Amino acid sequence: GESVGLHLPTLSVQEGDNSIINCAYSNSASDYFIWYKQESGKGPQFIIDIRSNMDKRQGQRVTVLLNKTVKHLSLQIAATQPGDSAVYFCAEKRGASKIIFGSGTRLSIRP
Amino acid sequence: NAGVMQNPRHLVRRRGQEARLRCSPMKGHSHVYWYRQLPEEGLKFMVYLQKENIIDESGMPKERFSAEFPKEGPSILRIQQVVRGDSAAYFCASSLDGGKEKLFFGSGTQLSVL
Repeated sequence: GESVGLHLPTLSVQEGDNSIINCAYSNSASDYFIWYKQESGKGPQFIIDIRSNMDKRQGQRVTVLLNKTVKHLSLQIAATQPGDSAVYFCAEKRGASKIIFGSGTRLSIRP
Repeated sequence: NAGVMQNPRHLVRRRGQEARLRCSPMKGHSHVYWYRQLPEEGLKFMVYLQKENIIDESGMPKERFSAEFPKEGPSILRIQQVVRGDSAAYFCASSLDGGKEKLFFGSGTQLSVL
């Protein structure tokens, strides 16, 4: 479904460790995927995107992996910092232009 | 280059009143999306517009809600006869080339219905 869920799952990570946030999507025809970060009281902020003709894309400290066989997307954050604390959403493009968000994961950093 | 601008930042309405939420996309962007977010939940797609056209309104309630993006001026999300269940954060996003490029989000409008 679209962005359902009463409670966000939480991932707790030690500062300096790597974080891996997972996302499953349902539409095998989706050809564009995006990861967003949302801090409290703010709008979502673009992190990284990937098209379906790729299986990996790297940015600064972040890597997105796409497995089309099992319809799975992951975001890896290297050397997690306190400023990475936020809710992370994956989003997929459905049809010509509709962008649908997943339910989100809250990332919590332990000092 | 200013980002996506939404106003007001906070809007309080009593039941039965009308709420008008405004969104000015990034300069050069002609594609606008509206999303609704409840606390501790994801963003739910409402409507996608291009200048003067509604492209996809499949996420918008059939009654009381409407959206427009005129040739001149901001996009407007209008909620008539608000009810308490309309209380939520409403986010607007814009893109250069709808669906092919990343969306840039505004800071949202927090609507509270008393």
